[in-house]
Amino acid sequence: GAGVSQSPSNKVTEKGKDVELRCDPISGHTALYWYRQRLGQGLEFLIYFQGNSAPDKSGLPSDRFSAERTGESVSTLTIQRTQQEDSAVYLCASSLGFLTSNQPQHFGDGTRLSIL
Amino acid sequence: QQQVKQSPQSLIVQKGGISIINCAYENTAFDYFPWYQQFPGKGPALLIAIRPDVSEKKEGRFTISFNKSAKQFSLHIMDSQPGDSATYFCAACYQTGANNLFFGTGTRLTVIP
Repeated sequence: GAGVSQSPSNKVTEKGKDVELRCDPISGHTALYWYRQRLGQGLEFLIYFQGNSAPDKSGLPSDRFSAERTGESVSTLTIQRTQQEDSAVYLCASSLGFLTSNQPQHFGDGTRLSIL
Repeated sequence: QQQVKQSPQSLIVQKGGISIINCAYENTAFDYFPWYQQFPGKGPALLIAIRPDVSEKKEGRFTISFNKSAKQFSLHIMDSQPGDSATYFCAACYQTGANNLFFGTGTRLTVIP
C-alpha cells in the first residue's frame, strides 16, 4: 500500500527482553518520526529523522531506547531490557520534509507492545 | 510540561448536534495547528489544520476556530454523526525546521444515534 507500514501490529513479551519495532515510511518521505501513545493518553514524541541529518533523540525516555534509520527508508525502534511501563502503542509517522501545512505527517497504525 | 492543553477528555453528543473540542497553548512561536482523528486500532489521521494568519477554517462539517490573542483554538463538528465517534487530538508545532508535533491529550467523542 501507499501508507506508512508498521510491524508487528502486536507484540507481547516478557519483562527484561529486547524488542525491535519496524517502520516503513511512505516512499519519498525524508522525515520519519516515532511516538509513544500510552492507553488513554496523547502522543509522546520519541525521535525524529530528517534525511541524512543527525536524528533528534530528545524525546527518548531512557538509554534503553534507540532507533536507527538507513537513508530515507526503513526505521527500527529498539527497546532493551523492557519494563512494564514500556507497554504502549508505538506509532511511526513520515512526511515529505520538514513538517509544514503542505507536508503533513502520515501515521501508521502502530505496534501495540505489551510487557508481561 | 504539557505544551498543548486539550479539553474535554470525553464528550457525548446526540446525532445532529455540534461537538466542540478546545485546545490552548503557551508557546507563541507555534504556527501550525492540525487536528487528528483516531479510530480504535488505527493511527491518527490528519483531519484539518490551520495557520495563525486566519481565524477560521472550514472543511465540510469540520471547522477550526483560532484565537491568536487568547492562544486558543477549537474544533467544531457540525451535524455530528455516529461515524464521527473517535478520539480527536489537537497539536501544534513550529513550521520552520519543525521536527515534531506537540499533541494534546485527546478527546474521546461518542455520538449517540
